[in-house]
Amino acid sequence: QKEVEQDPGPLSVPEGAIVSLNCTYSNSAFQYFMWYRQYSRKGPELLMYTYSSGNKEDGRFTAQVDKSSKYISLFIRDSQPSDSATYLCAMSAGSNYQLIWGAGTKLIIKP
Amino acid sequence: KAGVTQTPRYLIKTRGQQVTLSCSPISGHRSVSWYQQTPGQGLQFLFEYFSETQRNKGNFPGRFSGRQFSNSRSEMNVSTLELGDSALYLCASSFSPGQMNTEAFFGQGTRLTVV
Repeated sequence: QKEVEQDPGPLSVPEGAIVSLNCTYSNSAFQYFMWYRQYSRKGPELLMYTYSSGNKEDGRFTAQVDKSSKYISLFIRDSQPSDSATYLCAMSAGSNYQLIWGAGTKLIIKP
Repeated sequence: KAGVTQTPRYLIKTRGQQVTLSCSPISGHRSVSWYQQTPGQGLQFLFEYFSETQRNKGNFPGRFSGRQFSNSRSEMNVSTLELGDSALYLCASSFSPGQMNTEAFFGQGTRLTVV
């Protein structure tokens, strides 16, 4: 079993919908939780990161961490076609520990 | 300010050959990490360099090696290529190792195809 599990999708939703992307993990030592966005033929770019539990909001994006369930989520409100990309979760036990990555979920926003 | 530059963007090599990939970090960044990305596997950590020293190495065979130069540019080398080495190789840079997780910037990657 992988340390970080992420449904590869694709997840296809209509423009304007709320999108929910999720990852589960098995290592209770993880403290840093990241979401990256990767467009086709590009490298990943950091969207948001959360330390420990709780929520974090940045514009249309909200990241949630539930450490008791070992489950993290990224919500995208008012989704746009430009949000179509692969979304990768990553996590680590500390700032000097290696990131462990999910396989990525391909998201398609239909106009 | 220029981003992370990886060259070449695409490579096709034959089994048994070796290959060298290059990464130029953002100006001022001294920490460089390399990853292998394959479909369904996500990013697998290869190694991390800071001030010309390898700080960490992932679980890859010895055919994978790297180095960092005094100007922070980094290269990785794969010898005796196998079909399974076909992947997107990504380089990320940050000011320091402690910022690699939260403030790293990725290059566009080098797409290596082994035939």
